[in-house]
This record gives sequence, C-alpha cells and structure tokens, in this order.
Amino acid sequence: AQKITQTQPGMFVQEKEAVTLDCTYDTSDQSYGLFWYKQPSSGEMIFLIYQGSYDEQNATEGRYSLNFQKARKSANLVISASQLGDSAMYFCAMREGSGNTGKLIFGQGTTLQVKP
Amino acid sequence: DTGVSQDPRHKITKRGQNVTFRCDPISEHNRLYWYRQTLGQGPEFLTYFQNEAQLEKSRLLSDRFSAERPKGSFSTLEIQRTEQGDSAMYLCASSSLPQAFFGQGTRLTVV
Repeated sequence: AQKITQTQPGMFVQEKEAVTLDCTYDTSDQSYGLFWYKQPSSGEMIFLIYQGSYDEQNATEGRYSLNFQKARKSANLVISASQLGDSAMYFCAMREGSGNTGKLIFGQGTTLQVKP
Repeated sequence: DTGVSQDPRHKITKRGQNVTFRCDPISEHNRLYWYRQTLGQGPEFLTYFQNEAQLEKSRLLSDRFSAERPKGSFSTLEIQRTEQGDSAMYLCASSSLPQAFFGQGTRLTVV
C-alpha cells in the first residue's frame, strides 16, 4: 500500500536559517508525483512544490527546494532563509501513478515554528 | 480571483441536521476532489470527479454523504443526519495534472 511518513511532529528554526522537513514514501509504482503543502492556522492548503518521479533534477520554487532521493524513497523539503510567516503545518503528499485518478495521499504533517 | 473557492468557510450544525458545502474549482480544471481533515491529521481522500462523472469514492464516504458536480463545473458535498464524528475540515481541490490546488476549506462543527 502507498504510504507517506513524516517523522517530525514539530520543528523549530531560527529566523533566517534553513530548515529541512523530512518525508519518506512507499510505493510500488514507477510513475508518481510528490508534493509539499503549507497549511497555516487559517486552514487553507497552499501548494509549495512538486517533484515527478522521472524528474532528474530536484525541484525548486523560490526559497523552497525538494531534496529527492529516489533510491531512499525520500522527498525532504528544504526552506532557506526562514521567515516568521513560514510558521505553519507542512504536509508531504504523493499522487498515485496507477489508476490515474490523481488523488493524493498525505502524511501526518510537521508543525514548523520560526523563532525571531 | 481564479483559485478554488469553497463556501461556507465555517458551519456549525446540530446533530441530525443536513449540511451542504459548495466548491468552485479553477475554471479550466476538469478534475475535482473532496478531502476530509480531522484535527492533527493529514487530509484523507473522499471522492473524485472528472468533469461531471464521479469516478471514485472512498470507503470513508458513508451512505450519509453524497457529492455531485452538475455540468462539470461547481461541486456540492452533502452530509445527511450529521453526527459528531463528522466534525472536520472539508477540503476541495481541483487539478490539471500534475499539480493540485486546494480551496480554503469548510470547517464543520457538529454540536
């Protein structure tokens, strides 16, 4: 069965420093997609970054980068130069390759707190 | 605003009442999803539409839940005879693969 694991319930980082949020996944599909979303206290799920299983380069979007290690089945999110507004819950998710429904399977999330 | 829109943002209802939520997806997206998120958990898939066709339903979607997407545009999610266990955030997402974008969610509280 496909599964996403986020082992860090909570993380702290000092403002302006970088932080890595861990995500490992389990799938037998060869084709899949990996996502990171940010969920502030307001509840909205904000898309951050996407990595396809066949993408050879790690995805980057501004201060966000995805450290994709296919052999280890990990897709860690790196946030550089943390800002106070980065304090939120972060979810890693995977889109199934089989069935082509495009539905997402989410991890449990990591709460990030940025300290001034 | 061209994002995914959900209405209402918050709903408080008495146990046993029916509630209906609405989702307006990004206009060019033909895929629409409903998810449920309980406190401290990640969202869980409920159902999926491609255009107006409901192609997949999770076992989480009991017979008290029904979803529609008439004409492949907006979608509604109805919960009949609400129970306290239905209290959750209900999230709608629309997608033109590979990315998926979520609305602000509807937070349901059943008292």
